[in-house]
Amino acid sequence: GAGVSQSPSNKVTEKGKDVELRCDPISGHTALYWYRQSLGQGLEFLIYFQGNSAPDKSGLPSDRFSAERTGGSVSTLTIQRTQQEDSAVYLCASSRGQGSYGYTFGSGTRLTVV
Amino acid sequence: GENVEQHPSTLSVQEGDSAVIKCTYSDSASNYFPWYKQELGKRPQLIIDIRSNVGEKKDQRIAVTLNKTAKHFSLHITETQPEDSAVYFCAGGYQKVTFGTGTKLQVIP
Repeated sequence: GAGVSQSPSNKVTEKGKDVELRCDPISGHTALYWYRQSLGQGLEFLIYFQGNSAPDKSGLPSDRFSAERTGGSVSTLTIQRTQQEDSAVYLCASSRGQGSYGYTFGSGTRLTVV
Repeated sequence: GENVEQHPSTLSVQEGDSAVIKCTYSDSASNYFPWYKQELGKRPQLIIDIRSNVGEKKDQRIAVTLNKTAKHFSLHITETQPEDSAVYFCAGGYQKVTFGTGTKLQVIP
């Protein structure tokens, strides 16, 4: 596609429910990243995928968070048993490869846990 | 892992003046340093980047400098305009980047 597409754009969920966030990267981009941004804060790294390599999960804050990338394209970030502190904007980005390539960000999913 | 620190957290300048944002990094293996601009309610957008084999790069009114020895890099915006008002993030790394905490730049008309 022309840009990085994320869905849903907004999600309100009850505490304890599971949520799935979707990211469709730019066609041909082999690297895909998930970051989290709390209100007025910086970007916190969560996980990244590069081609068929094992993902770098070093930023996932707890075992309630997981992500997969099917067929080297679309990625899904799953948060189980959501907590109020999970409320944030979840940003996906893709790039032409790992290393010195700029990221193109999606518009994000604003998650609110009530 | 990489640790990127960014200063100042807020910066106000008069229109037409210059703005400078500074960042330091910890991992000597980092070789890529992009800068992103994020307007209110929008996604971050890449505005300029520099690789470790280059000391300076310029694109119209913005420039970045990199000092590998001191592990610091800076963003310079000249002749600032109101539309430059945004949050600016520096970042550094080699496989993935770590972001600084952001600088909120306000350009006063």
